[in-house]
Amino acid sequence: QQQVKQSPQSLIVQKGGISIINCAYENTAFDYFPWYQQFPGKGPALLIAIRPDVSEKKEGRFTISFNKSAKQFSLHIMDSQPGDSATYFCAASKGHYQLIWGAGTKLIIKP
Amino acid sequence: NAGVMQNPRHLVRRRGQEARLRCSPMKGHSHVYWYRQLPEEGLKFMVYLQKENIIDESGMPKERFSAEFPKEGPSILRIQQVVRGDSAAYFCASSPGLAGPSYEQYFGPGTRLTVT
Repeated sequence: QQQVKQSPQSLIVQKGGISIINCAYENTAFDYFPWYQQFPGKGPALLIAIRPDVSEKKEGRFTISFNKSAKQFSLHIMDSQPGDSATYFCAASKGHYQLIWGAGTKLIIKP
Repeated sequence: NAGVMQNPRHLVRRRGQEARLRCSPMKGHSHVYWYRQLPEEGLKFMVYLQKENIIDESGMPKERFSAEFPKEGPSILRIQQVVRGDSAAYFCASSPGLAGPSYEQYFGPGTRLTVT
């Protein structure tokens, strides 16, 4: 119930392509879904977040798509660049500070 | 405006020693959270503190681990009698807490603890 399942574990995308990372959850009480970006040796940085009352949120090249009925949400990175190479984590929480994290996706953008 | 600061960045301890990890939240932030990250895994919540108060320590191991956030100074995560399984990256996050716990947490660079 508390898990957030993230896939794929790793992803290689050509420069300029679209990177897609998916997450699924069980707890329907979750009401906050952030994505974090983490570079090696650094802490996670909040990238973009969504609440379940909207189906999509876009910030620059980053878009979250949210499917409440399927209990899934995904991160799309358009026009992927080598500088986007990092580990991406999805997370979820319910009116609460305890973020439940996915296992992470290591994204490599090939030039 | 400095972000969340953690020190040391790297810490090596022998089995049985004590580890003390420090976290200074962002300026103006009064809520602190500690997380642990094992290699190739997501972060796991450990404890949530406000100044002089532990609000939620449900993610902390029952023994050897303790945390504090004094009125003055940084938050401290203390691990007594470390074992090899404690080797991990420990991240601190802070939030403003203007109206209770904030969803948006800002993370420090982490302390990488290695137990030999």
